[in-house]
Amino acid sequence: QSALTQPRSVSGSPGQSVTISCTGTRSDVGGYNYVYWYQHHPGKAPKVIIYDVTERPSGVPDRFSGSKSGNTASLTISGLQAEDEADYHCSSHAGISSPLIFGGGTKLFVL
Amino acid sequence: EVQLVESGEGLVQPGGSLRLSCAGSGFIFSSYAMHWVRQPPGKGLEYISSISQSGASTHYADSVKGRFTASRDNSKNTLYLQMVSLTIDDMAIYYCARGRGWYGTDYWGPGTLVTVSS
Repeated sequence: QSALTQPRSVSGSPGQSVTISCTGTRSDVGGYNYVYWYQHHPGKAPKVIIYDVTERPSGVPDRFSGSKSGNTASLTISGLQAEDEADYHCSSHAGISSPLIFGGGTKLFVL
Repeated sequence: EVQLVESGEGLVQPGGSLRLSCAGSGFIFSSYAMHWVRQPPGKGLEYISSISQSGASTHYADSVKGRFTASRDNSKNTLYLQMVSLTIDDMAIYYCARGRGWYGTDYWGPGTLVTVSS
């Protein structure tokens, strides 16, 4: 099962919005509403910030939002803050091929 | 508070073996599927394995199938990953994650480093 496709990096200034894409196929992202987004500061445990495409766990600010169109899921971070600088990974269920597959990760730079 | 802590970090030669552990606390361990995920240096997260609540069902990525074995001891709230025939490509930080069902995760541990080198 091939990994999902994410941009290597994105950047934005404090207060701006950025969107990170996660592209798969109809066998994973497009076929199931089990897209997750993780925020990962190096050296720490990855943190789930979006699950089931659009849902936010308790405690995650509403500046983080998720969506999906066809085979591409997106994470939008609005009102960028310095502490948002991190790696962001997406995952999806992939049917009988795999319970989970991941994207290559996107480094967010807050300029 | 849900906590997951991996252990078993080590340096192993190519062809060697290593067993990782993941201790869970703050939740009913036996009620959750568990997953192993790794991150090779400079790369993204890579799915490794899943194990059902009882341990009766497991799934492995093709890259580790036949070499890695996931198991769990619910009486000890501990998840294991037995790794044999290790190669340089297995060098990574290994994370355990609590399953949000079979299709996702919610809590992750901080990871443990596996180094494969001669």
